This record gives sequence, structure tokens and C-alpha cells, in this order.
Amino acid sequence: SQTIHQWPATLVQPVGSPLSLECTVEGTSNPNLYWYRQAAGRGLQLLFYSVGIGQISSEVPQNLSASRPQDRQFILSSKKLLLSDSGFYLCAWSGSLYVDTEAFFGQGTRLTVV
Amino acid sequence: SQQGEEDPQALSIQEGENATMNCSYKTSINNLQWYRQNSGRGLVHLILIRSNEREKHSGRLRVTLDTSKKSSSLLITASRAADTASYFCATSVGSGAGSYQLTFGKGTKLSVIP
Repeated sequence: SQTIHQWPATLVQPVGSPLSLECTVEGTSNPNLYWYRQAAGRGLQLLFYSVGIGQISSEVPQNLSASRPQDRQFILSSKKLLLSDSGFYLCAWSGSLYVDTEAFFGQGTRLTVV
Repeated sequence: SQQGEEDPQALSIQEGENATMNCSYKTSINNLQWYRQNSGRGLVHLILIRSNEREKHSGRLRVTLDTSKKSSSLLITASRAADTASYFCATSVGSGAGSYQLTFGKGTKLSVIP
């Protein structure tokens, strides 16, 4: 069966520090991968999605970046965090072959920039 | 940008009552999906309705889709305290290169009072 791992669960980082959040998927090949951010009490904002290794689409201009070095690995990074980067970050995957596919989410990372 | 918009933003009902949440979207879709999020956790897929379907049932859940009005509703019958969560609609649209992108609304926060 497919599983998705996202870590860490909680992170407190000072302003200006770098960020690296990792997400890995098991049990499937060539998934579509997503990074979402959820501000407190808000909906999900799509940050990046990837349809294959090295293929990243950015939805929102910001100081975050994403990379997909392997088929089932998706990394969210920042060189210098801002206070506004605080939020709940969710990684998700969906099947790439069929239109009627659901998304499977990781448990999220609560990032607090201080 | 947000494709789906849920209404109401918050809903509080007594246990045993029915809960109805609505979702409106802007562009043509492949399908519409509903997800549930318990506080501080990832999202869990509930139900998917294709663009050529009008109604779908799953246990105590009933989803309707009106593509002419670009709207959907989620009905939870005989609600339980355990149904307390945020509910999101998500629309699937083609994003090119044979891939599909899920865009989420801001969610409805449902509180079921025992």
C-alpha cells in the first residue's frame, strides 16, 4: 500500500535561517507531488507541484523553492525564512495516470518563524 | 488562486442533526472532491464526484454536483461529535502535460455539539 512521510512534525526557526522540509512517498511510481501551505484558520494554498523528477511548477512567487531529486522525494526549501513563512505545510501525492485520482496527504509540518 | 469557495465558513449543530456545506467554483472541472481535516492534521479524502455525475453517496455522506451553477454540496446526515472537523472541497483541472491539479477552497469548520 502507498504511504507518505513528511517530517519534521514541528519546527521553530529564527528569521533569516534556512529551511528544508522533506516528503517521501512509498508504494507508487511517478506520482504527482504537491506542497501546500495553510495559514491559521485558512484554506490550502498550493505552493508547488511536480509531475516528474526535476519538473517543478510554482504557483506563488515567494522566497520558497522546491526540488524533486528522486521520483518519490519532494523537498521544500528556503535560504532565508521570513516571519510570514510561518504556517502549516502539507505535502501530498496523487496518481498521475488517471484524471479521477484523489490526493493523499502527509501529517503536516507546523513551522513557526520567530 | 482559490478555485473553490466553501459556504458557510463555520457551522455549529447539535449531534443527530444534518450538516450541509456548499462549494462554488469558477472554471470547468474534471471532478470535485471533498476532504476532511481534523485539527492540526493532514487532509483525508472523503468522496469524489465526476463532472458527469449529479449525486453520490458514501455512508452518511451525500454529495451533489451542479455543473451549470458550478456548485456542489456535502450533506452529513445524523451528525456525530466525531464529525467535528474542517471540510474542504477540491476541484481537479488539467494542468497540461497530461497532469491534473487539485485546488482547494478555504473550508467549512464544522462543530457538532454532543
